Amino acid sequence: GDSVTQMEGPVTLSEEACLTINCTYTATGYPSLFWYVQYPGEGLQLLLKATKADDKGSNKGFEATYRKETTSFHLEKGSVQVSDSAVYFCALKSSRGAGNNRKLIWGLGTSLAVNP
Amino acid sequence: EPEVTQTPSHQVTQMGQEVILRCVPISNHLYFYWYRQILGQKVEFLVSFYNNEISEKSEIFDDQFSVERPDGSNFTLKIRSTKLEDSAMYFCASNVAGSTDTQYFGPGTRLTVL
Repeated sequence: GDSVTQMEGPVTLSEEACLTINCTYTATGYPSLFWYVQYPGEGLQLLLKATKADDKGSNKGFEATYRKETTSFHLEKGSVQVSDSAVYFCALKSSRGAGNNRKLIWGLGTSLAVNP
Repeated sequence: EPEVTQTPSHQVTQMGQEVILRCVPISNHLYFYWYRQILGQKVEFLVSFYNNEISEKSEIFDDQFSVERPDGSNFTLKIRSTKLEDSAMYFCASNVAGSTDTQYFGPGTRLTVL
């Protein structure tokens, strides 16, 4: 079945460092891909998404490109801030199956701590 | 900006008791979901709901679980007889329509079963 694999954390960076969180997926067809973020004590918020190959999602300085050839959707940011400290989840929504309310399949989450 | 809300934020219950977790999805959304996240583990899909019926459910969603949309706004998850292993954060989500459409999540209900 469909699955998502994320790099394990925790990741600890200094402010202004570069960030990459790897995410690869296994799916048939053409899934939509998402990054969600969970700040301490809060719920899951959509960070960015891409719905087809070569699409780039971006938000708040974060970017991720849907790479079908490597089945990847790595999250990147050029200069992290303390306020980026959170848990980041990669997820996919399958393109298969009937109906429009297809479930999200999640990676394990990667905890990021940014120190001043 | 409209958002998904969930109540209560934290529920503590005794094993074997029934609990009802409540969610108010975004008002024009048509598709509804419950997920859960056991501490330190993946977010797991429980159930999806559309047009007043379940569209899909996972293996976790056994006979102890049920969902309901009792009126035009609330979407509830009931666990009839809670077990210790039901302790988790439960998230409600909704989306308007479309297979690529974004699901918007509530803040979650932390369920602790003693």
